[in-house]
Amino acid sequence: AQKITQTQPGMFVQEKEAVTLDCTYDTSDQSYGLFWYKQPSSGEMIFLIYQGSYDEQNATEGRYSLNFQKARKSANLVISASQLGDSAMYFCAMREGSGTYKYIFGTGTRLKVLA
Amino acid sequence: NAGVTQTPKFRILKIGQSMTLQCTQDMNHNYMYWYRQDPGMGLKLIYYSVGAGITDKGEVPNGYNVSRSTTEDFPLRLELAAPSQTSVYFCASGGSGLFNQPQHFGDGTRLSIL
Repeated sequence: AQKITQTQPGMFVQEKEAVTLDCTYDTSDQSYGLFWYKQPSSGEMIFLIYQGSYDEQNATEGRYSLNFQKARKSANLVISASQLGDSAMYFCAMREGSGTYKYIFGTGTRLKVLA
Repeated sequence: NAGVTQTPKFRILKIGQSMTLQCTQDMNHNYMYWYRQDPGMGLKLIYYSVGAGITDKGEVPNGYNVSRSTTEDFPLRLELAAPSQTSVYFCASGGSGLFNQPQHFGDGTRLSIL
């Protein structure tokens, strides 16, 4: 069964430094997509970055990059040059490609950026 | 652009009452989803729909019902509200059946059952 695991309930990072948020996944499907969302204290869910199982390059979107290690089934989010506005909850999610329309979410990591 | 709109934003219900959480999207997406998020937790899928007239259960459907009469609207109904249904409810939509499509979320409905 598909599963997403985020083992870091909370993380601290100093402003302007980089931080890595861990995500491991479990699936028997060859085709799948991995997503990261940001949830600030205001509560909305903001899509950040996507990585496909067949993508050979790691995804990047501005200060966000995804460290995708397929053999280890990990899809870690790297935030470079952290800003105070990056303080939020971050969720990793997965969707399999084999006929299911469901997305599975991890339990999230709360990131606090320190000034 | 409106995207996904949820109403109400906040609601307090008494035990045993019923209510409908409204969700509408203007992106012509076929796929729509309802999640609940309990404090400090991730999202759990309640129901989803792959098109008008087609709905299916997610992970935690008990105590809820949905309907999808149009592409735009996907209301979630709570019958006989219970304290365990106190949560934040998110509606989301997605454009296609491809696994590379992210979901678009509404701003959520914060529901308290007292």
